[in-house]
Amino acid sequence: NAGVTQTPKFQVLKTGQSMTLQCAQDMNHEYMSWYRQDPGMGLRLIHYSVGAGITDQGEVPNGYNVSRSTTEDFPLRLLSAAPSQTSVYFCASSYQGAGNTEAFFGQGTRLTVV
Amino acid sequence: TQLLEQSPQFLSIQEGENLTVYCNSSSVFSSLQWYRQEPGEGPVLLVTVVTGGEVKKLKRLTFQFGDARKDSSLHITAAQPGDTGLYLCAASTSGTYKYIFGTGTRLKVLA
Repeated sequence: NAGVTQTPKFQVLKTGQSMTLQCAQDMNHEYMSWYRQDPGMGLRLIHYSVGAGITDQGEVPNGYNVSRSTTEDFPLRLLSAAPSQTSVYFCASSYQGAGNTEAFFGQGTRLTVV
Repeated sequence: TQLLEQSPQFLSIQEGENLTVYCNSSSVFSSLQWYRQEPGEGPVLLVTVVTGGEVKKLKRLTFQFGDARKDSSLHITAAQPGDTGLYLCAASTSGTYKYIFGTGTRLKVLA
């Protein structure tokens, strides 16, 4: 049972480059989300999706795009990387978006922008 | 805007000691969860509380949801080195799908 799979695990980008962080889940969950984790800030919500074709912004959406063409996949795109986007990125999925269902997380992508 | 504040931010204690971690907000939540995260891994769910005043126990861990559903606490009795990790509270408000996390408490239990 793979759960939530994120790729790549590590990435170094130059300022201005673009890239896509991949996230896939095999639990048929409707709700998926992207967070970034910075020291002392916990996890901050970037974008989320309540189902295929439906996405919305979280707390810190600027500089990131998402799409949800299938239930399984929820990629996060960095349009023009900036050093401020250096962080650890986590993708999560849950059966429902409500807070009383368990969120399952991937292992994270550690991104460095130089 | 971070709606969930956790305290303390860091905690280093000796094995066998007790500790309490707090999660506070000015917002009312429909439910609140606690997660633990180990280095290099994603957070893993410990417990969900949904009723104001609710208390849940998980072995040596006791979780309480405030009566007004704005705050929560996690109490660990006789801490062990295996309890070391980052503890995160998380919550959503009624009628939204936004699921937010607190600032985190990093716990280190020394043998």
